[in-house]
Amino acid sequence: DGGITQSPKYLFRKEGQNVTLSCEQNLNHDAMYWYRQDPGQGLRLIYYSQIVNDFQKGDIAEGYSVSREKKESFPLTVTSAQKNPTAFYLCASSTPQGPPNTGELFFGEGSRLTVL
Amino acid sequence: KQEVTQIPAALSVPEGENLVLNCSFTDSAIYNLQWFRQDPGKGLTSLLLIQSSQREQTSGRLNASLDKSSGRSTLYIAASQPGDSATYLCAVPRKLTFGTGTRLTIIP
Repeated sequence: DGGITQSPKYLFRKEGQNVTLSCEQNLNHDAMYWYRQDPGQGLRLIYYSQIVNDFQKGDIAEGYSVSREKKESFPLTVTSAQKNPTAFYLCASSTPQGPPNTGELFFGEGSRLTVL
Repeated sequence: KQEVTQIPAALSVPEGENLVLNCSFTDSAIYNLQWFRQDPGKGLTSLLLIQSSQREQTSGRLNASLDKSSGRSTLYIAASQPGDSATYLCAVPRKLTFGTGTRLTIIP
């Protein structure tokens, strides 16, 4: 089955620690994204990557870092510099935007990070 | 900058009723618009994707419409069921922009 796998599902972190969230896709999509979701708020874009070895900052990139060494993988590191990291993190991928492609977004099941 | 708005933020309706969820966007130069469903603590599940050249898209009891000129999309749910209770979000994928969602509760 094709899809996006995020791990771990739940993660607890002490203040001052870096943590890495995994995102793997087998949909053969070039584009991948990381969003953050807080209660009662919409999705906010952290980072995105349109192609391997390239990525761009989204609206709230401070305190986060990413890498895109392989097409199928886009890990997100939440660093100690992130002031309020407790949130639900969602990874997505998409087909290219523009004909003949549909530009459809696909999401993983999310990772919930709690800072103790 | 593209902004996406969904009103109301929450909606409760009795089981069996037909209902409409609204989505508006500020920049009409979109390539597509996508509707999602999110259950508590879960990821987003794609419901319907409408290309800018389409006016409607249907899947089972769901029908989504798109009016680019007015910057609006609607999601129509027919014969609502308790299992339809969830948060529904619309998004403009090309601009990576999401609405804040409408939390729908179907009352048995």
